[in-house]
Amino acid sequence: GQQVMQIPQYQHVQEGEDFTTYCNSSTTLSNIQWYKQRPGGHPVFLIQLVKSGEVKKQKRLTFQFGEAKKNSSLHITATQTTDVGTYFCAGLYNTNAGKSTFGDGTTLTVKP
Amino acid sequence: NAGVTQTPKFRILKIGQSMTLQCTQDMNHNYMYWYRQDPGMGLKLIYYSVGAGITDKGEVPNGYNVSRSTTEDFPLRLELAAPSQTSVYFCASTPRVVSEAFFGQGTRLTVV
Repeated sequence: GQQVMQIPQYQHVQEGEDFTTYCNSSTTLSNIQWYKQRPGGHPVFLIQLVKSGEVKKQKRLTFQFGEAKKNSSLHITATQTTDVGTYFCAGLYNTNAGKSTFGDGTTLTVKP
Repeated sequence: NAGVTQTPKFRILKIGQSMTLQCTQDMNHNYMYWYRQDPGMGLKLIYYSVGAGITDKGEVPNGYNVSRSTTEDFPLRLELAAPSQTSVYFCASTPRVVSEAFFGQGTRLTVV
């Protein structure tokens, strides 16, 4: 079946360091979404990427969609303790089906 | 705005018991989804619905049933609960097939 692989599974950083999580698919995606889940919380939508090579920024967060629409990344510059949580990518393979496939997430911890 | 509301928040079931997880949304979204999240994992799609009266299976539908009699409500039924169904269950809704998903707070279910 269609799978979205996300790496790394865990990342521990010192506050102020950068953080990147990667999402990879073996087949072309229609779009990709990113969500953040705080410990004990529910996933919260961050962004959606649709176009090949698309780059979007939200303050310290930079999201990229690969040229082949098979991979994506989320980069956080100068992490803060408020960035802790698990970041998930969710890939959509068929817009008619409307069913996204979630990666297993990258859990970020930030040491003050 | 209430958004997506799930009840109950926590539940302990004995093996073989049945229960219904409730999900309701007040955003008039056509698309609704049920996911389960096991520890350290991403979200797995159980069932989804593209509108009232229409439901379809996701990745892991065995042991579950759903109905969608109204746009607002999308209950998930567990028959003959098993320990393997211990998980956190999230309900979500989207206004269109390709758009951000709004998640409920989740139901933490333990089957003993």
